[in-house]
Amino acid sequence: ETGVTQSPTHLIKTRGQQVTLRCSSQSGHNTVSWYQQALGQGPQFIFQYYREEENGRGNFPPRFSGLQFPNYSSELNVNALELDDSALYLCASSSPEDRRAFFGQGTRLTVV
Amino acid sequence: QKEVEQDPGPLSVPEGAIVSLNCTYSNSAFQYFMWYRQYSRKGPELLMYTYSSGNKEDGRFTAQVDKSSKYISLFIRDSQPSDSATYLCAMSGSSGYSTLTFGKGTMLLVSP
Repeated sequence: ETGVTQSPTHLIKTRGQQVTLRCSSQSGHNTVSWYQQALGQGPQFIFQYYREEENGRGNFPPRFSGLQFPNYSSELNVNALELDDSALYLCASSSPEDRRAFFGQGTRLTVV
Repeated sequence: QKEVEQDPGPLSVPEGAIVSLNCTYSNSAFQYFMWYRQYSRKGPELLMYTYSSGNKEDGRFTAQVDKSSKYISLFIRDSQPSDSATYLCAMSGSSGYSTLTFGKGTMLLVSP
């Protein structure tokens, strides 16, 4: 079991609403990456935070945004939810020195 | 053509069989190669982590990377019903901030 924790584990939102997902990184890791995993697909990179700055972004619209805090925990915010946003959202922590990425258990988001 | 190709399966084998899982990729910049195991929509668990070409063994698992062919493999010896899961290959570039590019995952079913 990794030290990466995500909350909540499940939630249901209505189309058009906003959601915030949270992630606590593994001790010693200063980099957090967020991924979206649709059913039957591999995880897709959303963005990465390193020392509180966005350090790279995948092909996701601006309504996907994030934050990283001084303790390296992170939030993923999604505005104006769409039905296609229904997925498992995964947080991974790593560091430039230890390139292994360890994932949390994920947050399953359902948009109705 | 997707950057990483992986047969989604399912792959069904009897207990005790040797399992071979594979991925091909197109981006020659990939330097780090990983295999993750994912149980029923939980977070991916890191199984194997290798750099560049060669073999790496850990217990019943062996990872092989052939960069000249852009082909990676994971072998599981003496497969067990508890190995039934989806196996995701992932790869990244040389930068310490590189993010992961995943295959779609192969579902493995090991029957008693």
